[in-house]
Amino acid sequence: AQSVTQLDSQVPVFEEAPVELRCNYSSSVSVYLFWYVQYPNQGLQLLLKYLSGSTLVKGINGFEAEFNKSQTSFHLRKPSVHISDTAEYFCAVSASQGAQKLVFGQGTRLTINP
Amino acid sequence: EAGVVQSPRYKIIEKKQPVAFWCNPISGHNTLYWYRQNLGQGPELLIRYENEEAVDDSQLPKDRFSAERLKGVDSTLKIQPAELGDSAVYLCASSAGLANQETQYFGPGTRLLVL
Repeated sequence: AQSVTQLDSQVPVFEEAPVELRCNYSSSVSVYLFWYVQYPNQGLQLLLKYLSGSTLVKGINGFEAEFNKSQTSFHLRKPSVHISDTAEYFCAVSASQGAQKLVFGQGTRLTINP
Repeated sequence: EAGVVQSPRYKIIEKKQPVAFWCNPISGHNTLYWYRQNLGQGPELLIRYENEEAVDDSQLPKDRFSAERLKGVDSTLKIQPAELGDSAVYLCASSAGLANQETQYFGPGTRLLVL
């Protein structure tokens, strides 16, 4: 079985500052990794995903994430945040083979202060 | 292209009452998911459909929850009777295929409050 730990429940940052949202996963098999964003009163939207190949994955809205197999991490980063990035961010993992099941972390609430 | 549609958006009921949620996935998406998202938590899968077949319902509390997707398109999730602990956001998602790397597209959810 897979599990995900998002190390920070809340992250406050100032506008135009860089941000990193941390995600660690656990799995005995190879995995696919995802970051989803949830804006207030909306459904989850895919930011980016890692399937294979380059460990640095670029997504929408200027976000990127790096897969680190040795540290079982998939941290999300953005060099300069905007007020509109205020949202809940979820890291998720699925096994690359076998039963399709997406397991989500608890989420990190990103708050951008002007 | 229309996204995943869910209704109602909000529902308030008293405990022991029944409640139903409806979902219409993205056109052409054969795989449909129902998730429950408790306050401050990530979504947790309740049931997954491939066309009209429930291929994973291991997390669905079958004593009070039921779901159907009769024609392999839209789906209904029902709770009867509802308990206080069922208060949560119920999310529906769909994907084009069954493969683990497929992107899931989520609806806005139904926020249920059981009093």
